Amino acid sequence: DGGITQSPKYLFRKEGQNVTLSCEQNLNHDAMYWYRQDPGQGLRLIYYSQIVNDFQKGDIAEGYSVSREKKESFPLTVTSAQKNPTAFYLCASSINKDNEQFFGPGTRLTVL
Amino acid sequence: GENVEQHPSTLSVQEGDSAVIKCTYSDSASNYFPWYKQELGKGPQLIIDIRSNVGEKKDQRIAVTLNKTAKHFSLHITETQPEDSAVYFCAASIGGSQGNLIFGKGTKLSVKP
Repeated sequence: DGGITQSPKYLFRKEGQNVTLSCEQNLNHDAMYWYRQDPGQGLRLIYYSQIVNDFQKGDIAEGYSVSREKKESFPLTVTSAQKNPTAFYLCASSINKDNEQFFGPGTRLTVL
Repeated sequence: GENVEQHPSTLSVQEGDSAVIKCTYSDSASNYFPWYKQELGKGPQLIIDIRSNVGEKKDQRIAVTLNKTAKHFSLHITETQPEDSAVYFCAASIGGSQGNLIFGKGTKLSVKP
């Protein structure tokens, strides 16, 4: 069963702690993306990766970090430097940067 | 910076009626315009997309129209059903890359039985 998986679905952390969100895809897609979604807002791009071992900052990269050591995995770390980390985080992938994006189910992060 | 405006923010229709959602974009180089449907607590699903060399595209009850001159595009849903209730997002590519998208803020569609 191919697709994009994000885990966990809900995540709670204390303020000041770093937290890593998982995103895995078995679609053999080269490109992967992380978006943040806030209530009543569109999706905003945090980071994207067009190929293994390469990634670029999106519109709101401050306070976040990523790695792309494997084609199928693109974890996102929300650091303590992110001032307002509570949000719904969505991971997406595409065959390459010039094809449509498919989204995972999302992780809702709540920082207490 | 580039942006996408989406209207209305909420839309309520009776089952069987049509629904229209409109978006305008600012980047004249945009050439790819997808529409996503997002159900509560889930990730967005691509429902239809259109490229700049086409003025209209249809898939069963869903159609999208594009006016490149005016820089706006619209989603049309006919014969709406309760299961069409969701939040719909439009997006436009930044420049020529489909991978670099800017999203509208979404339209919450409610279809009343």
